[in-house]
Amino acid sequence: DAKTTQPNSMESNEEEPVHLPCNHSTISGTDYIHWYRQLPSQGPEYVIHGLTSNVNNRMASLAIAEDRKSSTLILHRATLRDAAVYYCILLNNNAGNMLTFGGGTRLMVKP
Amino acid sequence: DSGVTQTPKHLITATGQRVTLRCSPRSGDLSVYWYQQSLDQGLQFLIQYYNGEERAKGNILERFSAQQFPDLHSELNLSSLELGDSALYFCASSPWGGSNEQYFGPGTRLTVT
Repeated sequence: DAKTTQPNSMESNEEEPVHLPCNHSTISGTDYIHWYRQLPSQGPEYVIHGLTSNVNNRMASLAIAEDRKSSTLILHRATLRDAAVYYCILLNNNAGNMLTFGGGTRLMVKP
Repeated sequence: DSGVTQTPKHLITATGQRVTLRCSPRSGDLSVYWYQQSLDQGLQFLIQYYNGEERAKGNILERFSAQQFPDLHSELNLSSLELGDSALYFCASSPWGGSNEQYFGPGTRLTVT
């Protein structure tokens, strides 16, 4: 299984942009890059996913490196509600649709 | 609110007992997934069902079993419970078996004493 590497924790100030990095140097051509987050005492929540091109949605942006060996989740203006553990996950639909969660990055947002 | 419901919210039981966790997927979703979250193992995939049929299996113990019913709700049965089975159990659903997005329920917290 292709694995991802994320920093254990990051800190941000409220209303500032946050860039959460993820390395996935062994990614295969059919692996999608997914991001989920888990707020305290809640189930994981889908954030965004992409294959090759950068993606934007109402929650965040996903920037994917040209060689696809790394990606960055961008929260444009962090709020206190964005404090969560963020998981970068590679998903290959040909190999099943189960999510394999690593340790994730714990994002702390300071007011 | 993801639209996925799980019952009960909390469950406390003794070692050796058997419990059933229930999950109702979002309206229209055909696929259901079960995950376990414990302090030492993190979030782990257990099993997936799609339209009533088992689709994929992860690190699910033989003491655990699941099924998906014709109305698409799913149950996870845990038997001969051990202290180490204490964890949060999450159910997720997606529209079809290969969907990119999974929608998670609020979880059932199981405590085995």
